[in-house]
Amino acid sequence: AQKITQTQPGMFVQEKEAVTLDCTYDTSDPSYGLFWYKQPSSGEMIFLIYQGSYDQQNATEGRYSLNFQKARKSANLVISASQLGDSAMYFCAMREGRSGYALNFGKGTSLLVTP
Amino acid sequence: DAGVIQSPRHEVTEMGQEVTLRCKPISGHDYLFWYRQTMMRGLELLIYFNNNVPIDDSGMPEDRFSAKMPNASFSTLKIQPSEPRDSAVYFCASSSSGLTDTQYFGPGTRLTVL
Repeated sequence: AQKITQTQPGMFVQEKEAVTLDCTYDTSDPSYGLFWYKQPSSGEMIFLIYQGSYDQQNATEGRYSLNFQKARKSANLVISASQLGDSAMYFCAMREGRSGYALNFGKGTSLLVTP
Repeated sequence: DAGVIQSPRHEVTEMGQEVTLRCKPISGHDYLFWYRQTMMRGLELLIYFNNNVPIDDSGMPEDRFSAKMPNASFSTLKIQPSEPRDSAVYFCASSSSGLTDTQYFGPGTRLTVL
């Protein structure tokens, strides 16, 4: 069964606007971590933001914030003030406490920022 | 600080040849992961090590794939013999211990098997 679901294969946003990339997850483990990575066309995987299952507040890192809704099992990435350089693939991933330390990745969302 | 280093960055080989991918993790990290990325299957874990010991190799596709970590600063992923369906980007990542610790990825090796 898919543990991480990203339902938006592609998204468009205009420069300077905010955009939300969706991620839902499936786990029965009470201890888990959620990660977002960015993969530009050059191919590298760049870590953006982390949210722990026990964290009370939503994570923020600069223009990135994570809208964590635990009861709904969603961990949406919000990018504020989009820039042309934000155009990339974005992957949501989960790491579960009792099943080791590997990351389960979603299929990704392709974001295109237009001028 | 140097990040995760992978070599080669690109590899083109012919079917049946042996391929060896190399990875140097971030110093001090005790977890090392090998992932493969394809259009069809996305990013999938192949194997990971903790303190140089393989912990989970359930993602290794078949016996043609093998991975080693002879010391804390070096790991290899070997494919012998290679097949066209092995064409993919292979990433190495490392992290410290702990559920909250971020995995940092190397630049990847783009493998093409003709």
